[in-house]
Amino acid sequence: GQNIDQPTEMTATEGAIVQINCTYQTSGFNGLFWYQQHAGEAPTFLSYNVLDGLEEKGRFSSFLSRSKGYSYLLLKELQMKDSASYLCAVKGSFNDYKLSFGAGTTVTVRA
Amino acid sequence: ETGVTQTPRHLVMGMTNKKSLKCEQHLGHNAMYWYKQSAKKPLELMFVYNFKEQTENNSVPSRFSPECPNSSHLFLHLHTLQPEDSALYLCASSQDQNSNQPQHFGDGTRLSIL
Repeated sequence: GQNIDQPTEMTATEGAIVQINCTYQTSGFNGLFWYQQHAGEAPTFLSYNVLDGLEEKGRFSSFLSRSKGYSYLLLKELQMKDSASYLCAVKGSFNDYKLSFGAGTTVTVRA
Repeated sequence: ETGVTQTPRHLVMGMTNKKSLKCEQHLGHNAMYWYKQSAKKPLELMFVYNFKEQTENNSVPSRFSPECPNSSHLFLHLHTLQPEDSALYLCASSQDQNSNQPQHFGDGTRLSIL
């Protein structure tokens, strides 16, 4: 089966940095996605990693280590609007198109 | 983003009612998905359609019945639901089911079963 773990909640101060970790144990690996979901809204795509290393997109960066089954999403210069749930999702082997999601990490940004 | 639109946004129904959820995507995608999202739990995949053909039924009870008349529209027909079916139901679409392009989600239908 697929097992995706991420912390339930994190709190940080406006302007700070927060790192959300995601560990996974899956049968096969064909990429890892991060989504952001504000309360009552659709999950929106943030990043995709399939090779090891760091992908940077403005204030958000995502890292992947396939050998360790580990990823993190780094949020820099936190803003109040970054308060949301962050979902880690793993795609299995090429022939297994389904995404396996973690339960999400709720990030609260305080002034 | 208005790429994937779901209606209604909220639905309250009794256990004996019949209702339908609607999803429409304007992205030219060929795969569409239904997910169930319950509080503090991972998204659960329910059904997948790829080029209008159902390719996945993730052991979903028969009280949930999907319909995909074309690649742009997806329905979820509901009847004789149980209180534990109360959840957020999310629709998503992607280029096709095997693509590594991200899935695009709608805002969901918040379903409450009385």
